[in-house]
Amino acid sequence: AQSVSQHNHHVILSEAASLELGCNYSYGGTVNLFWYVQYPGQHLQLLLKYFSGDPLVKGIKGFEAEFIKSKFSFNLRKPSVQWSDTAEYFCAVRGGSYIPTFGRGTSLIVHP
Amino acid sequence: EAQVTQNPRYLITVTGKKLTVTCSQNMNHEYMSWYRQDPGLGLRQIYYSMNVEVTDKGDVPEGYKVSRKEKRNFPLILESPSPNQTSLYFCASSLSRQGGETQYFGPGTRLLVL
Repeated sequence: AQSVSQHNHHVILSEAASLELGCNYSYGGTVNLFWYVQYPGQHLQLLLKYFSGDPLVKGIKGFEAEFIKSKFSFNLRKPSVQWSDTAEYFCAVRGGSYIPTFGRGTSLIVHP
Repeated sequence: EAQVTQNPRYLITVTGKKLTVTCSQNMNHEYMSWYRQDPGLGLRQIYYSMNVEVTDKGDVPEGYKVSRKEKRNFPLILESPSPNQTSLYFCASSLSRQGGETQYFGPGTRLLVL
């Protein structure tokens, strides 16, 4: 069975700080990996996804993530966060079952 | 505009009173699913549907029913709601069940069961 672990439940940063949110998954086969963002009071939106090819994936709003197969990781990064990045971030994995599994989410607060 | 809609957005009900939350998508997607979101637990899948008349249980199906009579609609039914079903519910759809397909989420339905 597949599973996802997000290490940081709450992250507080100042504007312009760099961001890295950890995501590790467990699944022995080919996976598709996703990062979703949920702004306060809104639904989930896709930030980026890894399907195949280049393990460094660039998404919207300056976010990127790197798939490191040997570490079963798909960490989300942004070099300089803004106040508007305050949101909840979810990592998700989709393996052989085609049913996606979501992590518990990381709440990011960026203060001016 | 391509979207997933849910109704109602907010609902307060009492234990045992049957309710239905509707979900509709206008993208001709085959795959639809329901999630509940609870603090500290992230999103957990309740039910999913691969296509019309094809539904299956997700991780937390107890207390819920679904139906998929038409491709665009995937209602979530709570026959006898209980307080532990107080949650935020999201419907999602994707073009197919293929692993790389992006899921599109509805705006959410916040349910309070007293």
